Amino acid sequence: GAVVSQHPSWVICKSGTSVKIECRSLDFQATTMFWYRQFPKQSLMLMATSNEGSKATYEQGVEKDKFLINHASLTLSTLTVTSAHPEDSSFYICSATKSYSNQPQHFGDGTRLSIL
Amino acid sequence: DAKTTQPNSMESNEEEPVHLPCNHSTISGTDYIHWYRQLPSQGPEYVIHGLTSNVNNRMASLAIAEDRKSSTLILHRATLRDAAVYYCILRASGGSNYKLTFGKGTLLTVNP
Repeated sequence: GAVVSQHPSWVICKSGTSVKIECRSLDFQATTMFWYRQFPKQSLMLMATSNEGSKATYEQGVEKDKFLINHASLTLSTLTVTSAHPEDSSFYICSATKSYSNQPQHFGDGTRLSIL
Repeated sequence: DAKTTQPNSMESNEEEPVHLPCNHSTISGTDYIHWYRQLPSQGPEYVIHGLTSNVNNRMASLAIAEDRKSSTLILHRATLRDAAVYYCILRASGGSNYKLTFGKGTLLTVNP
């Protein structure tokens, strides 16, 4: 159980394009979802915390107008990278958790974004 | 967030036990100890978590020191598929902040 699906797995697009990444919890209701970014040879960096029905909480240094997060239901959160540029190329990973603090997070397989 | 310290890398042989250490001397009484691992080009995978007592599941065992200032993740028989970066993370309980802060982790290499 506790499967998180992330789509697409990889995307290549031109500079200036907006890209949407979906994160779905398939077999449980996720009151909280998280979005991370990981550059090569580095650890995961939390970008934002997304709670269903409310605005996302962004980490310091993450532009909320650049990385739009929508958590419209208990099973779906989306991250839109607006007007993407080559420096936005990275591995984006989502996770989902139930509403209990000692419950683990369940991660998607990530989306590799390459901006040309 | 309370910080953890792990070795940058460790090496093991296939079918031998592996003990991955983690120091967390500033742990608070309500912090859970979580372990995740990340295989190449994949999202992290939950391994195990605990508070005070040792824990066992199908993937691994977690041994927690009596003073909770350190813990050890034990893989009983390493396989090639266990080669990954292992992250030891403290996660506060209570409140509404369930986020995880990832450090650099330990890169485990398993030799055939």
